[in-house]
Amino acid sequence: QVHLVESGGGVVQPGGSLRLSCAASGFSFSVYDMHWVRQAPGKGLEWVALTWPDGTTQDNIDVVKGRFTVTRDNSKDTLYLQMNDLGVEDTAVYYCARASNYGISGFHDYWGQGTLVAVSS
Amino acid sequence: QSVLTQPPSASGTPGQTVTISCSGTNSNIGSNIVNWYHQLPGAAPKLLMYGDDQRPSGVPDRFSGSKSGTSASLAISGLQSDDEADYYCAAWDANLEGWVFGGGTKLTVL
Repeated sequence: QVHLVESGGGVVQPGGSLRLSCAASGFSFSVYDMHWVRQAPGKGLEWVALTWPDGTTQDNIDVVKGRFTVTRDNSKDTLYLQMNDLGVEDTAVYYCARASNYGISGFHDYWGQGTLVAVSS
Repeated sequence: QSVLTQPPSASGTPGQTVTISCSGTNSNIGSNIVNWYHQLPGAAPKLLMYGDDQRPSGVPDRFSGSKSGTSASLAISGLQSDDEADYYCAAWDANLEGWVFGGGTKLTVL
């Protein structure tokens, strides 16, 4: 059974940093694309970044702006999101999601329960 | 402002059919598959439809997806009170080189 569990969220002051983790189980983590998607309070879903099985990454430049780094440790079945220079606009629930390939694209078939990041002074 | 455009709300009575639209461009819906997710209040999103019109196992056939050009639709027939949720469409955008989501549609069962 696929299980994704995020952790590391919390309250942080503007300009601060947080490292989110997503522990995966129930599937071969090392062969799947993994994503971070966030949702601000009362707002819609916003894609943040992805990492391919080999560790290469792609991110939403409008969100990340060089501040966030997505990494993975295939030996630990864990996905990470290092977030620096956080602003109030980064306040959101951060979800990790597994993506399965479909043709030249794919779909997010499993999501974690999310971890809340609140940026406030 | 979301890259994919959805109506903010939709409603119907039990048993009715409701359709939710998702409009994009040639760089996303026009050239890549569309996926749909639903989200109950306080819960994580769940995959509802993938590859434009494919239902994951466990999703009832009351739910159907379609796509034409740069627009996609999700239809829900035999509406039930349990269908009340937020619905999101998503697609890969080749120009942005990233995933884009619709702004979400809140479905109310009257």
